[in-house]
Amino acid sequence: QVQLQESGPGLVNPSETLSLTCTVSGGSISGYHWTWIRQPPGKGLEWIGHIYYSGATSYNPSLKSRVTMSVDLSQNHFSLKLSSVTAADTAVYFCARTLDSGVGDYWGQGTLVTVSS
Amino acid sequence: DVVVTQSPDSLAVSLGERATINCKSSQSVLHSSNNKNYFAWYQHKPGQPPKLLISWASTRESGVPDRFSGSGSETDFTLTISSLQAEDVAIYFCQQHYFHPYTFGQGTKLEIK
Repeated sequence: QVQLQESGPGLVNPSETLSLTCTVSGGSISGYHWTWIRQPPGKGLEWIGHIYYSGATSYNPSLKSRVTMSVDLSQNHFSLKLSSVTAADTAVYFCARTLDSGVGDYWGQGTLVTVSS
Repeated sequence: DVVVTQSPDSLAVSLGERATINCKSSQSVLHSSNNKNYFAWYQHKPGQPPKLLISWASTRESGVPDRFSGSGSETDFTLTISSLQAEDVAIYFCQQHYFHPYTFGQGTKLEIK
């Protein structure tokens, strides 16, 4: 059974960079797209972007200037960096394995990241 | 971006009764070349990862009980739980995965009446 686990700081200062890692167990990173999605408190889900195991990326245009995703095949994990964060970036961040069709067939439980000084 | 409008925001249904959740996409997600609707439904229980229930608008994922069904095409989609069980209490959300960026409905909180 594939499992995903998000990890990273739960509190980030405004204007700094949010960094999260998603560790994949029970399966290989190879062959799939890997996605980051977030949900601000009281709001709906927002697709941040995805990275193919080869390293090719696709980002939400609304966040593209601040987002960087990377993948580490040797560690079987992938990562998200979001720069110049503000309070509006406070959210539960989910990682997910995404099929070629675009659906997420396995998700992490999500991790709350709060942007505050 | 394609807007996905989900209704209702919350729903209370008696055990054994039918629950119906609707989503409307601002653009058709039907791909003419393969006649598939790029639309999915998920279930999210507290403390658990979201779970993919239905893809291609109406294809149940392996292991999903047959009381869950999806229907609809182009812009209008429905998730139906034919006979509500206690374990179905969750937030349900839909997703269009045809247009980038992929977008989601805002979620429906399903409770027992």
